[in-house]
Amino acid sequence: AQTVTQSQPEMSVQEAETVTLSCTYDTSENNYYLFWYKQPPSRQMILVIRQEAYKQQNATENRFSVNFQKAAKSFSLKISDSQLGDTAMYFCAFMKNNDMRFGAGTRLTVKP
Amino acid sequence: GAVVSQHPSWVICKSGTSVKIECRSLDFQATTMFWYRQFPKQSLMLMATSNEGSKATYEQGVEKDKFLINHASLTLSTLTVTSAHPEDSSFYICSAIEGGLAQETQYFGPGTRLLVL
Repeated sequence: AQTVTQSQPEMSVQEAETVTLSCTYDTSENNYYLFWYKQPPSRQMILVIRQEAYKQQNATENRFSVNFQKAAKSFSLKISDSQLGDTAMYFCAFMKNNDMRFGAGTRLTVKP
Repeated sequence: GAVVSQHPSWVICKSGTSVKIECRSLDFQATTMFWYRQFPKQSLMLMATSNEGSKATYEQGVEKDKFLINHASLTLSTLTVTSAHPEDSSFYICSAIEGGLAQETQYFGPGTRLLVL
């Protein structure tokens, strides 16, 4: 079974600075999908970014980018120019054949 | 696009009663829907996967007779917690996969808070 590990239970960053959240996973699959979801206090899960494993190019969505290292099974999320609204739980997720597994999450606090 | 709704957003019920939670895809047809459970300060745990018109596939340890799932159409799935007990109190979240270009991406509903007294 695939496992997803987020080794940072909590992190904080000053507003306008950059922060990187780490995620590693374990799988024997070659083709799969990786995601970062954000869960603010409202608890609504919001898709932040998506990466297909067969693509070598790292996904980018505005201030959010990933560093996908397939051989190392690493999928970190970089948030640039952090904003107060980025404060939330961030979950890394692995998906293969509609089976999605989540990491334990990282609580990010953006400080003014 | 890709909006998923859940109803109700929160519910309080007495022990022994049954509670139904609806999950709807508002602007797309959901070929597959998922039900998750989330305890406070924890991650999401997949309970079951449902495909329209067929029986749901439950994760190990999830009681099928306790958590009844019906995926009657391409836009609606329901989760019924039967004979609810206080230990069933939790946050239940559904998600859906759009059967189009955005396959493999799950869109989540806003969740339902269940409190069983």
